Amino acid sequence: KQEVTQIPAALSVPEGENLVLNCSFTDSAIYNLQWFRQDPGKGLTSLLLIQSSQREQTSGRLNASLDKSSGRSTLYIAASQPGDSATYLCAVRWGAQKLVFGQGTRLTINP
Amino acid sequence: GAVVSQHPSRVICKSGTSVKIECRSLDFQATTMFWYRQFPKQSLMLMATSNEGSKATYEQGVEKDKFLINHASLTLSTLTVTSAHPEDSSFYICSAIPREEWETQYFGPGTRLLVL
Repeated sequence: KQEVTQIPAALSVPEGENLVLNCSFTDSAIYNLQWFRQDPGKGLTSLLLIQSSQREQTSGRLNASLDKSSGRSTLYIAASQPGDSATYLCAVRWGAQKLVFGQGTRLTINP
Repeated sequence: GAVVSQHPSRVICKSGTSVKIECRSLDFQATTMFWYRQFPKQSLMLMATSNEGSKATYEQGVEKDKFLINHASLTLSTLTVTSAHPEDSSFYICSAIPREEWETQYFGPGTRLLVL
């Protein structure tokens, strides 16, 4: 079964710290992997999309890496800010267009 | 950028009634749309894949007669929750893939359904 797991479920850090969110997936034959941000009661905002042939993608303070062989992806957030507080979701696409989501990591950045 | 809207954003209904939720791609045509369900503090679970002009494909465990999906045009898909019950209360999110672009799903803002 194709599954996506995110650890930890929740994370709280002081402002300014660099942090890493983890995502693991079964079945390394992925098409692509995507990181989303979700604010409470809101929809999803796409942050980064990594194709299966890529190792990482960067956007501003965010960097996502992909290691298919180990079935892992990480989202690195540099110099965290209170505005980064949200739930971060990892989603994997295998072949078909549908996405399988992880459970998410609820991130709180304390001023 | 590609924008997906949902209407209504929030709905409260009585048990036993039916509720229709619309998902529209505002500036692109979408042959494929997806409907997800999200319970509080949980992740998104795919309910069904909606293809324009054909029947929706439902995920295992999702009742077809309970959740009616219609994708009548390239910009509109609707989800009707029939004979809603309190356990149907959830956050429903749709997404759409542009016809000319296969890589990215664009997500709507979600619809909060509360069944009393």
